[in-house]
Parts: sequence; structure tokens; C-alpha cells
Amino acid sequence: ETGVTQSPTHLIKTRGQQVTLRCSSQSGHNTVSWYQQALGQGPQFIFQYYREEENGRGNFPPRFSGLQFPNYSSELNVNALELDDSALYLCASSSSGRASHSDTQYFGPGTRLTVL
Amino acid sequence: AQRVTQPEKLLSVFKGAPVELKCNYSYSGSPELFWYVQYSRQRLQLLLRHISRESIKGFTADLNKGETSFHLKKPFAQEEDSAMYYCALSAGSGSARQLTFGSGTQLTVLP
Repeated sequence: ETGVTQSPTHLIKTRGQQVTLRCSSQSGHNTVSWYQQALGQGPQFIFQYYREEENGRGNFPPRFSGLQFPNYSSELNVNALELDDSALYLCASSSSGRASHSDTQYFGPGTRLTVL
Repeated sequence: AQRVTQPEKLLSVFKGAPVELKCNYSYSGSPELFWYVQYSRQRLQLLLRHISRESIKGFTADLNKGETSFHLKKPFAQEEDSAMYYCALSAGSGSARQLTFGSGTQLTVLP
């Protein structure tokens, strides 16, 4: 069984550019959630994907978008990058998005995005 | 909207001393609470959840709905407990269950 993986590990972009981050979910998991973690803060929920559909969204603008693929891997896309988008982006997978309270989320190592 | 507050950014205790990491929450519904831990150079991982009512690595946490708290406790801290600890609440409307995290407490256990 493999854990959650994310790529790339680090990324540097300039303001106004677009970025795509990738996440492979843990084997057997069908739900992926994305979080943004600014320096010194806890992770903030961006959105969740369940069976290729967006299944909930936090307080992030539409320039944050995502995809989930049939193999349950996922992408996070951010358009028109701003300086404040600099953060660690975490992906977490779980076994179901619509079930009980008891879905444990397993986190990847994160992608560190720096916007200059 | 839900909120999780961890009032201490930094906490230092000596090895063998008791430790308590505070967590308070606000949520109008029935919450599910978690503690996540991040050791140095490792990923965020689940430490424990209130519905399991279990003790992991000697840590326990009791959900107090009256005080809206979910403090993490360990009677005798060990140096390997030094890490960043996040309290999190699972909530959401409809089918999405999102985690709302506190800002974390960096625990240092001194020798």
C-alpha cells in the first residue's frame, strides 16, 4: 500500500502565472481534499473531490480550481497567481467523501509554492 | 461557521512532566474532533480522534461539549513528543466533510 504522494516538492512562480499541483491518493481511497497552509498557520480547506466531482469548497476564489481523475489522483490549479498564494499546499485522501464522520484523512508531504 | 482555537503557539515542558495542549472550538452542530501531529521533516498525521476514545502514544483527549474544548493530555512527556500539534474539527454541509484546523502548538520537551 502506497501513501499519498505530491509533485512537485517545490515550485517558484511569478505573479500572474498559473500553476498545477498534483496528488496521487492512497491506494483504495476515492476522495481527495486540498489544503493551503500559510507560514505559521494551520491548513485551510480549499476543496474536496469525490469520484471526480467537487464535493465541497472552502473560502477560496474561483481562480483555485481542481480535477480528479478516474484513478482518483487529483490536480490543483491556481490561475493569476498572487504573492499571498505562497504557501504549502497539502493534499489528503480518504476512503469516502459522503460517508460517516469517521473518514480519516491521510496527508501527503505537500508542495511548497513560492510566488515572486 | 466553525472555528478552532489553539491559544498557545509554543509550549515547553521538561521530560517526565505532564503536558496539556489546549484546544477550543465553536460549531453549531455535533462536531468530530481530531488531533494531528507533525514531527520534524515528516508529514501531518492523525494522532487521535474523539470518537475512538483511545490513547495513542500515551496521549488522551476528552471532548467537553459544555466548555467546547478538546484538550490533549499526556501525564509524562517524552523528548520524542516534541512536534507541532494541530487540533482539527470535521464538519461540513451536505456530503463534504472538511477539516478546520487550529493554528497549531509547537511542543518542545526538554531533557
